[in-house]
Amino acid sequence: DARVTQTPRHKVTEMGQEVTMRCQPILGHNTVFWYRQTMMQGLELLAYFRNRAPLDDSGMPKDRFSAEMPDATLATLKIQPSEPRDSAVYFCASGLVSDGRGLSNQPQHFGDGTRLSIL
Amino acid sequence: TQLLKQSPQFLSIQEGENLTVYCNSSSVFSSLQWYRQEPGEGPVLLVTVVTGGEVKKLKRLTFQFGDARKDSSLHITAAQTGDTGLYLCAGVGGAQKLVFGQGTRLTINP
Repeated sequence: DARVTQTPRHKVTEMGQEVTMRCQPILGHNTVFWYRQTMMQGLELLAYFRNRAPLDDSGMPKDRFSAEMPDATLATLKIQPSEPRDSAVYFCASGLVSDGRGLSNQPQHFGDGTRLSIL
Repeated sequence: TQLLKQSPQFLSIQEGENLTVYCNSSSVFSSLQWYRQEPGEGPVLLVTVVTGGEVKKLKRLTFQFGDARKDSSLHITAAQTGDTGLYLCAGVGGAQKLVFGQGTRLTINP
């Protein structure tokens, strides 16, 4: 089965350091989502891309977070500088959203997440 | 902001018992999804309900979408220890964006 791959699976670093999380979406999916999961807030949408273009990053703290898709096989989420309150599990998900040319919507598939701890 | 509230937040029952988990919102969603998440893994889609009043069955799991498409329920019959996990409902909004509930952490005791 095709899977969304996230790296690293775990990251522990000190506050102030830059953190980069990577995601390889499922081949053929045109939409990539970044989520953050914490015990207090649950799963929150941070940003998403359609055909590599950013569509919505309103859920993301703009001053320290950035999300990019350098190519169709790689999405990145960066935090610089990191803070202890950024500690969470970050999930990437990919899906196929109809573009009006005969494609039907397909559900999102989630990766297994990056567990981030900022000390 | 569209919010989804799940209840209960935690549920611990004995194997063989039945249970129901609820997902409620003040907003209408085009469809609603239920996910199950196990420790160290991402959520996995169980079902999507689209039509108001729709009922879908997945073995011992029965999912229902409210007539007004604002609420949903998940009923498990004769729970098994393998059903243990975090159950999440998610409303599907524009551009396939998902709004998740806080989840119900279910523990089935042998």
